[in-house]
Amino acid sequence: EDQVTQSPEALRLQEGESSSLNCSYTVSGLRGLFWYRQDPGKGPEFLFTLYSAGEEKEKERLKATLTKKESFLHITAPKPEDSATYLCAVLIYSGNTGKLIFGQGTTLQVKP
Amino acid sequence: EPEVTQTPSHQVTQMGQEVILRCVPISNHLYFYWYRQILGQKVEFLVSFYNNEISEKSEIFDDQFSVERPDGSNFTLKIRSTKLEDSAMYFCASSPDRVTGELFFGEGSRLTVL
Repeated sequence: EDQVTQSPEALRLQEGESSSLNCSYTVSGLRGLFWYRQDPGKGPEFLFTLYSAGEEKEKERLKATLTKKESFLHITAPKPEDSATYLCAVLIYSGNTGKLIFGQGTTLQVKP
Repeated sequence: EPEVTQTPSHQVTQMGQEVILRCVPISNHLYFYWYRQILGQKVEFLVSFYNNEISEKSEIFDDQFSVERPDGSNFTLKIRSTKLEDSAMYFCASSPDRVTGELFFGEGSRLTVL
């Protein structure tokens, strides 16, 4: 069964304190791994796509990496505005379209 | 910047009532989706839609659910007879490409079934 597990469930950081979020996945034939940001009461907002092991993507203070079994979202010197829930998802081909299988998310709180 | 818009933002209904959630996808997108998120749980795929027909649906998407694109711009999700367990945030999403995980999500419609 295709599955995505994220850890930790919640993370509290001081402003400037770097850390990493983990996403492990079990999927038959990875078509892509995606990171989204979700603010309270809002829809997920796309951040990164990773397709193959060893690939890295960066955006401001965020860097996403991918291995054969997991992905990490590294947050360098976070600011309070980085506080959000970060969702990891894998893409499954189905029919004429794809569908995303999401993890449960890591809720990040960055304190000033 | 183009965005996906959803209405209503919050709907409260009695169990057994019909509900229609509306979405206006990004105008040049061809693929449309509904996902839902029960409070405190994962975002779950419900259905994908392309070329005026359902492409894929999950086990959740039973006979109580239906989708349509009535006028070429709106994309609707109908729940015929709501149950308590249908209470959730429903997200519409769209994409320009056939198979992609880079979806553009709306802000969601919160459905509360009493």
